[in-house]
Amino acid sequence: QKEVEQNSGPLSVPEGAIASLNCTYSDRGSQSFFWYRQYSGKSPELIMFIYSNGDKEDGRFTAQLNKASQYVSLLIRDSQPSDSATYLCAVNGVYNTNAGKSTFGDGTTLTVKP
Amino acid sequence: DVKVTQSSRYLVKRTGEKVFLECVQDMDHENMFWYRQDPGLGLRLIYFSYDVKMKEKGDIPEGYSVSREKKERFSLILESASTNQTSMYLCASTVEGFNSPLHFGNGTRLTVT
Repeated sequence: QKEVEQNSGPLSVPEGAIASLNCTYSDRGSQSFFWYRQYSGKSPELIMFIYSNGDKEDGRFTAQLNKASQYVSLLIRDSQPSDSATYLCAVNGVYNTNAGKSTFGDGTTLTVKP
Repeated sequence: DVKVTQSSRYLVKRTGEKVFLECVQDMDHENMFWYRQDPGLGLRLIYFSYDVKMKEKGDIPEGYSVSREKKERFSLILESASTNQTSMYLCASTVEGFNSPLHFGNGTRLTVT
């Protein structure tokens, strides 16, 4: 089992719809969770982070965390063609040599069709 | 804004060459990381460093070494390049602590022929 798994893509949604991206992780001790967006040929850039159970909203983006279920998700409301990218889920360990080290899922490629 | 600069955007090297990939960050970050990214395999951690002259192996350190002589600079070394090291290499940095997001450089696309 991979340490961080994301729903396999590609995911295609029409413009204006809600895109839902999911991620599960295996290390129950994980404490911090990140979503990065990566455009083709570019490096990843941070769009959201979440540390506590529940929802965190930032503009059109909402991150949701459920530590009991070891599940984190990203919702993109009113999806735009410019949201078309690969979304990477990353999980940070806490203890000793894992502190600050991010483990990534394989990514989900989202296409928003005009 | 944090800037992480990788010295080359594209590199082409021959099998058996020693290859140096350089990374410099300008925000006094303690932690620096080298990842490689391959289709279908995602981002995989090669080495990381929490401080000057300190280094820790990541998930795939074989065939690589690193050097961190100054806080702002973290170098990845391919001792004897092989074709299976053809990849996109990404350097990243963070401040100290487990809650810090990664700031990535633009990446170096290395081709070993």
